[in-house]
Amino acid sequence: DAGVIQSPRHEVTEMGQEVTLRCKPISGHNSLFWYRQTMMRGLELLIYFNNNVPIDDSGMPEDRFSAKMPNASFSTLKIQPSEPRDSAVYFCASSRMGGGRVEQYFGPGTRLTVT
Amino acid sequence: AQTVTQSQPEMSVQEAETVTLSCTYDTSESDYYLFWYKQPPSRQMILVIRQEAYKQQNATENRFSVNFQKAAKSFSLKISDSQLGDAAMYFCAYRRTGNQFYFGTGTSLTVIP
Repeated sequence: DAGVIQSPRHEVTEMGQEVTLRCKPISGHNSLFWYRQTMMRGLELLIYFNNNVPIDDSGMPEDRFSAKMPNASFSTLKIQPSEPRDSAVYFCASSRMGGGRVEQYFGPGTRLTVT
Repeated sequence: AQTVTQSQPEMSVQEAETVTLSCTYDTSESDYYLFWYKQPPSRQMILVIRQEAYKQQNATENRFSVNFQKAAKSFSLKISDSQLGDAAMYFCAYRRTGNQFYFGTGTSLTVIP
C-alpha cells in the first residue's frame, strides 16, 4: 500500500491567496483526519470524517478554513484567504473505525508558508 | 472530557541506556486504545506501539515496551538499549469509541552518544 498521500509537500503563497491541500487516505480506511502542527501550538486536530461525513470540526480555526471529503479516497483542506499565521505543517491521517488495527496512519505532511 | 498529558517536554538518555517516557490520560470509558507515535526530524509520524485497554498484558515491540496501568490511567513508554535513531518527538495518543483521537503535547527525546 502506498500509505496516506498528501499534496503538495511544500506550498509557499502570499497572504490573501487561496490554498488547497489534498489527501488520499489508505484504501479501506473509513476515517480521515486533518491536523495542523506548529511549534507554538503543537499538534492540533482540525476536523475528522467518518465514512466521508464530518464528525467534529470544532478545531477548525475560523471560517477561512473548510474541508471536504467528496468520496472515500479523497479529501481537501482549503484556506481562503490565507494569512501568515496559517503557516504550519498540515497532516492528513486515516484509520479504520473498528476491528483490530485502528491506529492512525499519517501522511508526510504539507509544509505551508504564507508570506 | 478526554485529555492526554505528557509531563516531560524534554528527556535525554545515554546511548545504550534505558529511558521511560510518561503519559497519563483522562477518560470515563472502559474500552479504548492507546498509542505511542514517534516523529523524527523528517516530520513523519510513525506508530511505535499500540495497547488495547481490555488487554492486561503490556505491549512490546522489540526494544519498545509499555507499562499500562489502567486504574491509574497511566501509559508509559520504555525504550531499552537506546540508539541514536531513537532521537525524536514522542506523542502519546488515546482513541475513544467513535474513532476520535487525542494526542499529548509530546516529549522531545535526545540520545547522547
